[in-house]
Amino acid sequence: GAVVSQHPSRVICKSGTSVKIECRSLDFQATTMFWYRQFPKQSLMLMATSNEGSKATYEQGVEKDKFLINHASLTLSTLTVTSAHPEDSSFYICSAERPGATTDTQYFGPGTRLTVL
Amino acid sequence: SQQGEEDPQALSIQEGENATMNCSYKTSINNLQWYRQNSGRGLVHLILIRSNEREKHSGRLRVTLDTSKKSSSLLITASRAADTASYFCATDSSGGSNYKLTFGKGTLLTVNP
Repeated sequence: GAVVSQHPSRVICKSGTSVKIECRSLDFQATTMFWYRQFPKQSLMLMATSNEGSKATYEQGVEKDKFLINHASLTLSTLTVTSAHPEDSSFYICSAERPGATTDTQYFGPGTRLTVL
Repeated sequence: SQQGEEDPQALSIQEGENATMNCSYKTSINNLQWYRQNSGRGLVHLILIRSNEREKHSGRLRVTLDTSKKSSSLLITASRAADTASYFCATDSSGGSNYKLTFGKGTLLTVNP
């Protein structure tokens, strides 16, 4: 099956610093990746859609200057949380759409737990 | 508006019993999917049902879809302790190239041994 990895799995940072999270599709090329945020005991909220070679499409209410997304290759998308604050602490999950898949499914990474002190 | 509302929010059953979770949504959909998430982990795709389908099976899973009521149900039969997880429904109501999933709030299922 399709495998998506994320790195790091956990990160703790100080308030005001920036954190980069990587999302990789390991055995397929993903032209489209998605970034979600999940607060404790809540659902996944789509933050943005990342398209290879073009600008990301952000959902309403998500600050594009705070959550920088780069999809520089067909197997890698990165999310950078800039000037992180404690309220940015959350579980960030990426997913990738597999071209040519027979079903409209997204393959999810294992998530990154961000804690901002 | 919130798409994909699951109920119950939490369900606790004994091993061997069946577990039923429901999902309601508000807009027209292309398909509806169910995902499972173990605590602090990523999501695992369980099953997809298209808008023109009414029922689908996969192993111990049975999913129904009623587009007239804008609702779906996920039935897990003969539950096991390892089924303990959160279960989310997600709807795809996009058109053309604007594909995205909208997730419900989830049902936390606890299967007691």
